[in-house]
Amino acid sequence: EAGVTQFPSHSVIEKGQTVTLRCDPISGHDNLYWYRRVMGKEIKFLLHFVKESKQDESGMPNNRFLAERTGGTYSTLKVQPAELEDSGVYFCASSQGNSGNEFFGPGTRLTVL
Amino acid sequence: GDSVTQMEGPVTLSEEAFLTINCTYTATGYPSLFWYVQYPGEGLQLLLKATKADDKGSNKGFEATYRKETTSFHLEKGSVQVSDSAVYFCALSDTKAAGNKLTFGGGTRVLVKP
Repeated sequence: EAGVTQFPSHSVIEKGQTVTLRCDPISGHDNLYWYRRVMGKEIKFLLHFVKESKQDESGMPNNRFLAERTGGTYSTLKVQPAELEDSGVYFCASSQGNSGNEFFGPGTRLTVL
Repeated sequence: GDSVTQMEGPVTLSEEAFLTINCTYTATGYPSLFWYVQYPGEGLQLLLKATKADDKGSNKGFEATYRKETTSFHLEKGSVQVSDSAVYFCALSDTKAAGNKLTFGGGTRVLVKP
């Protein structure tokens, strides 16, 4: 069974540009989470989807970040416009039901210059 | 709010040495506790977990016991190998809150030398 996949693995963009990150969860997992780790600090929660609905977006830093999960399958996280402080590693995770067992993707390393 | 504090690294050890990584937490609810590991070039993997007080999680020779009285979940391994070199993250999930989102500590980098 395929794990959680993320694309791209790395992205380098200029400040002010737009970047879209993609996450494909494990098939059948209703829960999809986005996290990020900025500058070697702790990994912080961004938001949580249950199927296509946003269950909790309390961790989204500001309105430059937009997450979608149309159809309840894959998810995208768009940053527009990107700022220097957005640099970090963005992780996606998925889980089934209330298992609490989240499976993580390899992450997307975003560098904003 | 919930928080997790773990010892800062890097921790450098020789092969077969004993490893301890301290982790303490603050939570208002009844958290489940986790250790995740990130090997070089890979994503986070669940190493072990414990869901209630006094539970012991174990996997791959690693162990951690959920200590409610000291709000701790220290990770231990009796004899590390070079392949244990990785970044280790302690985390909690408040099971009373909807969504099971994870709160992580800052991560501890462990380097095991032959």
